Amino acid sequence: GAGVSQSPRYKVAKRGQDVALRCDPISGHVSLFWYQQALGQGPEFLTYFQNEAQLDKSGLPSDRFFAERPEGSVSTLKIQRTQQEDSAVYLCASEDQETQYFGPGTRLLVL
Amino acid sequence: QKEVEQNSGPLSVPEGAIASLNCTYSDRGSQSFFWYRQYSGKSPELIMSIYSNGDKEDGRFTAQLNKASQYVSLLIRDSQPSDSATYLCAVKGTGRRALTFGSGTRLQVQP
Repeated sequence: GAGVSQSPRYKVAKRGQDVALRCDPISGHVSLFWYQQALGQGPEFLTYFQNEAQLDKSGLPSDRFFAERPEGSVSTLKIQRTQQEDSAVYLCASEDQETQYFGPGTRLLVL
Repeated sequence: QKEVEQNSGPLSVPEGAIASLNCTYSDRGSQSFFWYRQYSGKSPELIMSIYSNGDKEDGRFTAQLNKASQYVSLLIRDSQPSDSATYLCAVKGTGRRALTFGSGTRLQVQP
């Protein structure tokens, strides 16, 4: 079946712009995670949903970052007033029986 | 001290050799351990999961877990050039659903 999909795959934003990143999890997966991966580093946890409930947002780096999953399926990660330090790959993963499956990621470059 | 530590490498091995990748973690209560492979510009792909002490084998891959020493390793037998990638160790800490990743070890298999 289809894996996790993310869009856009690449995004260039000017500093101060708002961006929205979309994640379509594997159908039926209840748990969804967002991670941020800087160049040369492992992914770092941002936030976690179980169905539509955001159960852990401890990894969000600032209040400029906001995530939602209103119907328990598609999720959107929004970054307001982007800064250069937000440049990274944003990975979405959905989980089945302890295993997390990653999407291709969105590569964000803030100029 | 980082929660999950890996040698960044690169680890260079000749084709056909055994590659040994190591990882230590700080949360003694961790119960779930994962190895992901990440090719350059791609997203992490699960190779192995391990939950109990000892060895777990899957084809050319063997994961080893020693909870007393807080150590997990991945052995790749008969290494192939196509195994050249970054290998990420990931741990689910006590009471957490999210993965905590190491920074990855870059493996180079020389033809």
